[in-house]
Amino acid sequence: GQNIDQPTEMTATEGAIVQINCTYQTSGFNGLFWYQQHAGEAPTFLSYNVLDGLEEKGRFSSFLSRSKGYSYLLLKELQMKDSASYLCAVTDSNYQLIWGAGTKLIIKP
Amino acid sequence: TAGITQAPTSQILAAGRSMTLRCTQDMRHNAMYWYRQDLGLGLRLIHYSNTAGTTGKGEVPDGYSVSRANTDDFPLTLASAVPSQTSVYFCASSEGTGNTEAFFGQGTRLTVV
Repeated sequence: GQNIDQPTEMTATEGAIVQINCTYQTSGFNGLFWYQQHAGEAPTFLSYNVLDGLEEKGRFSSFLSRSKGYSYLLLKELQMKDSASYLCAVTDSNYQLIWGAGTKLIIKP
Repeated sequence: TAGITQAPTSQILAAGRSMTLRCTQDMRHNAMYWYRQDLGLGLRLIHYSNTAGTTGKGEVPDGYSVSRANTDDFPLTLASAVPSQTSVYFCASSEGTGNTEAFFGQGTRLTVV
């Protein structure tokens, strides 16, 4: 079957760095997405990786290794507003998105 | 800019009743999706449409139906609601299928009692 694994919950300190990991086993691969979802709100797009390597976008970076079926989202200079769930999703060979359950990130002052 | 709009925002529905969740986008996106989100589970695809006039079944289609008469609208109908359909429902759209950014509506919180 198809599976996306992410930690359920993580805690970090304001101003610090946190890395959220995602591993996947899917039938084919056509890209990996990260979305942010604040409580009670809709998911919003953060990043997209289709080739191996690191994509940097301001305080957020996303890394992909297709051979290892692995990605991470790196958040730097954490702010209280970064408290949210972070969703990893993979596009399979049929171009369908397979979603992880999300990682709830708690930021403490 | 409106983007993608869902209605209603929340609803309490008696079991056995029918209901249509509305979704409209103004971005002229080809692909549209309906997901449900339950605590501890990832977003699960109910139905999708790659272009106007076509629809397909997702991971959890039973008890739901959709139509895509035009580009903008993608309503989701529950023919006879059951308590297990209590969930938060998200409509989304994307320019392409599966490998382009998806834009989500604000969600509909449905409680079936």
